Amino acid sequence: AQSVSQHNHHVILSEAASLELGCNYSYGGTVNLFWYVQYPGQHLQLLLKYFSGDPLVKGIKGFEAEFIKSKFSFNLRKPSVQWSDTAEYFCAVNGAYYGGATNKLIFGTGTLLAVQP
Amino acid sequence: KAGVTQTPRYLIKTRGQQVTLSCSPISGHRSVSWYQQTPGQGLQFLFEYFSETQRNKGNFPGRFSGRQFSNSRSEMNVSTLELGDSALYLCVSSTAGTGEETQYFGPGTRLLVL
Repeated sequence: AQSVSQHNHHVILSEAASLELGCNYSYGGTVNLFWYVQYPGQHLQLLLKYFSGDPLVKGIKGFEAEFIKSKFSFNLRKPSVQWSDTAEYFCAVNGAYYGGATNKLIFGTGTLLAVQP
Repeated sequence: KAGVTQTPRYLIKTRGQQVTLSCSPISGHRSVSWYQQTPGQGLQFLFEYFSETQRNKGNFPGRFSGRQFSNSRSEMNVSTLELGDSALYLCVSSTAGTGEETQYFGPGTRLLVL
């Protein structure tokens, strides 16, 4: 069965520090990968996505993620975080393993990021 | 364009009762999915509907059911509520359900079962 692991449950950083959140998935077939973010009091929203092509994808607000197929990883990075990046971050995978299209997402448990001013 | 709307936003029920939650997707979107979010289990997939057909179902008991109407609006129903059903229920919509387009999350319905 598909699964997604986020190893960092809580991360505390100071402003301007660099961020890397780990995400590993288990699935041998073709996958679509996503990072979602939930700011305090707001809906979940898409940060970035990878379907194919360049394994380094850029998202909103200066975030980027690198897909490393050999490591089944899709880590999220940002060179310099801001206080406004305080949020919960979710990695997710979508795989059409039953054949055909599906929007079903398997989510990781989330990483709570707190950025101190 | 209006976002995904869910009603009601908050609900308190007692064990054994049933509940119906409603979701209106973004105009033009034909795919609707539902998720349950709890502190212990995180985000778990419930169902996925596309053009009134259930296309995928998660590992939830039969007490959880759903449907989609011709206007793409969707409802989910939970019968014989248990304390463990207390959660945030999220509705998600997208255009065609190919798995590659952006999915939009609603604000959720927070259900408390006493």
